[in-house]
Amino acid sequence: AQSVTQLDSHVSVSEGTPVLLRCNYSSSYSPSLFWYVQHPNKGLQLLLKYTSAATLVKGINGFEAEFKKSETSFHLTKPSAHMSDAAEYFCVVSGGYSSASKIIFGSGTRLSIRP
Amino acid sequence: GAGVSQSPSNKVTEKGKDVELRCDPISGHTALYWYRQRLGQGLEFLIYFQGNSAPDKSGLPSDRFSAERTGESVSTLTIQRTQQEDSAVYLCASSFDTAAGETQYFGPGTRLLVL
Repeated sequence: AQSVTQLDSHVSVSEGTPVLLRCNYSSSYSPSLFWYVQHPNKGLQLLLKYTSAATLVKGINGFEAEFKKSETSFHLTKPSAHMSDAAEYFCVVSGGYSSASKIIFGSGTRLSIRP
Repeated sequence: GAGVSQSPSNKVTEKGKDVELRCDPISGHTALYWYRQRLGQGLEFLIYFQGNSAPDKSGLPSDRFSAERTGESVSTLTIQRTQQEDSAVYLCASSFDTAAGETQYFGPGTRLLVL
């Protein structure tokens, strides 16, 4: 069975400070993990993905995430928040075999940036 | 190249009416997915198509929901006898195939409001 838990429904940080969005997963298989971002009134966009290569994954817009198998985590970080980072972020886990029904989206974390 | 497109962008209908939502995937993408996103919630998988294989309908919430896809092109999601709880954003995504690490590319969604 697979599941994904985003530990915070809302995160608020000041511009220029670090961002941490937490994601924990469970999977019976070696998972693929993704972070997607959804800006208001825009479509979902892939930020980064882990597919059993390097455990530290760098994505677009300065975001990165580290796959930690021992902690079953895939937290998303950015050293310095920008106003344009305000959006909804989704952590996604995908199973070890081809089946779309095994693609599980987290409930999302809304990131707010204070000036 | 062109991304995933969906039409209409917004649809308002009366309870009990049928609606049809359209998705044009990225050319060459064999896999196509439909999701539902209720206000403030994550994505709920509905159905996916992979090439000429039988679709995975395991996420459809009731027999009022159905979807078709012609070959590897356009897909339509039909909701019959709409109910107010069907109000949501319906998102379509396509990918090159359904391997676990494959990136999905999302359309902008159709916002459905059932009065």
